[in-house]
Amino acid sequence: EAGVTQSPTHLIKTRGQQATLRCSPISGHTSVYWYQQALGLGLQFLLWYDEGEERNRGNFPPRFSGRQFPNYSSELNVNALELEDSALYLCASSPLTAIRSEAFFGQGTRLTVV
Amino acid sequence: KQEVTQIPAALSVPEGENLVLNCSFTDSAIYNLQWFRQDPGKGLTSLLLIQSSQREQTSGRLNASLDKSSGRSTLYIAASQPGDSATYLCAVGSNDYKLSFGAGTTVTVRA
Repeated sequence: EAGVTQSPTHLIKTRGQQATLRCSPISGHTSVYWYQQALGLGLQFLLWYDEGEERNRGNFPPRFSGRQFPNYSSELNVNALELEDSALYLCASSPLTAIRSEAFFGQGTRLTVV
Repeated sequence: KQEVTQIPAALSVPEGENLVLNCSFTDSAIYNLQWFRQDPGKGLTSLLLIQSSQREQTSGRLNASLDKSSGRSTLYIAASQPGDSATYLCAVGSNDYKLSFGAGTTVTVRA
C-alpha cells in the first residue's frame, strides 16, 4: 500500500512568488495535516483538513492557505514568499484525527526561497 | 497550550548500548503520544503510538512507556546499532486538535 506522497520533492522560488505543494494521503485516510520544519527549528503546525474542511490552523499568516479535495488529497499554497519560508514542508495523514489515531508522514517538500 | 520537551538534545553511544530517550509534556489531558524517527532531510517514520489509556507499547527492540499523570514518556532502544542513528521525535495529541512536537533527540551510535 502506498504511503503519503508529496510533490514536488524540491521547489525553488523567488521572493514574492507563490508556491503550491501537494499531498496525497494514504488510501482511506480522511485527515491531512501540514507542518513546517525550518532549519534548526522544530515542527510547527500549519493546517489540519478533514472531510474537505479546514478544522484547525496554526499561528501562521493568512498567506499560508490550502484546501482538501473530494479525494482527500490536499494542496498547500504559500503566497508572497519570503526568505524565511524556506523549510521542509511535511504532510501527514491519519484515518481519524491524528490526536486519536496514528499519523503517517510523507517525505516532505523542500522549499527554497531565493 | 501543550509544550513538549525532549532531553537530551543529543546523545552519542557505542554500538550495543541501550538508548533511553525522554519526552515530557505540560498538559496531561492527552489523547495519544507518538514516537517518530527522522533521518537527515527526510520525512518522519512512525515508530510507536501509545493511546492515553495505555502504559506502554513494544515493537521489536523498541519499547515506549507513558506516565500521563507525571507528563512523561520514555523510549527505550535495546542493543543499539549504527543504523539507529537518527533524530527521534515525540508528538502529543491533545485537545487543541493537533500533534505537538518536541525538538527531538539526535542519536549517534558509534560502530
